[in-house]
Amino acid sequence: GDSVTQMEGPVTLSEEAFLTINCTYTATGYPSLFWYVQYPGEGLQLLLKATKADDKGSNKGFEATYRKETTSFHLEKGSVQVSDSAVYFCALSDQAKAAGNKLTFGGGTRVLVKP
Amino acid sequence: NAGVMQNPRHLVRRRGQEARLRCSPMKGHSHVYWYRQLPEEGLKFMVYLQKENIIDESGMPKERFSAEFPKEGPSILRIQQVVRGDSAAYFCASSPSQGAYEQYFGPGTRLTVT
Repeated sequence: GDSVTQMEGPVTLSEEAFLTINCTYTATGYPSLFWYVQYPGEGLQLLLKATKADDKGSNKGFEATYRKETTSFHLEKGSVQVSDSAVYFCALSDQAKAAGNKLTFGGGTRVLVKP
Repeated sequence: NAGVMQNPRHLVRRRGQEARLRCSPMKGHSHVYWYRQLPEEGLKFMVYLQKENIIDESGMPKERFSAEFPKEGPSILRIQQVVRGDSAAYFCASSPSQGAYEQYFGPGTRLTVT
């Protein structure tokens, strides 16, 4: 079945540091890929998405490129802020499946940015 | 446009009681998904519903759990005879159509079973 693997946290960084969170996936079809962010006590917010190979999703300084050859969708940000402290989830939705777009999530990576 | 609404935000139940979790999708959305997040884990798909239909319940436990999305009113996730292992955050998401890429999540209901 479909699966998503992302690096375990916590990841602790200083403000303005470079952030990378690795994500790889396994899917039988042609998935769409997503990064969601969860702030403490809140639900998930869509951060960015990519729907086909070589697409780059970007939002709020975050970027991720859909790499079909390496089945990866790594999240990057060049200069993090304290407000980026959150849990980040990589997810996929396999459009080839018959019923709907249920999301398969990775285990989440907690990021803590210190001033 | 109001987002996805879930209530209650926090729910405490004793073992053996019933838990009812409600989800009102975004206006215009007719597709609802339920996910469960166990402590320190990622979200796991439970069920996908359209109005008056269960489309995919492959992630639902076989016993004690049920879901509905009636023609009028919110979607309900019902857990009968709760056990401590049911303690988790339950998230609802909605989308406007089956082909839509994006799902919009509610704030979740945190269920604690004592």
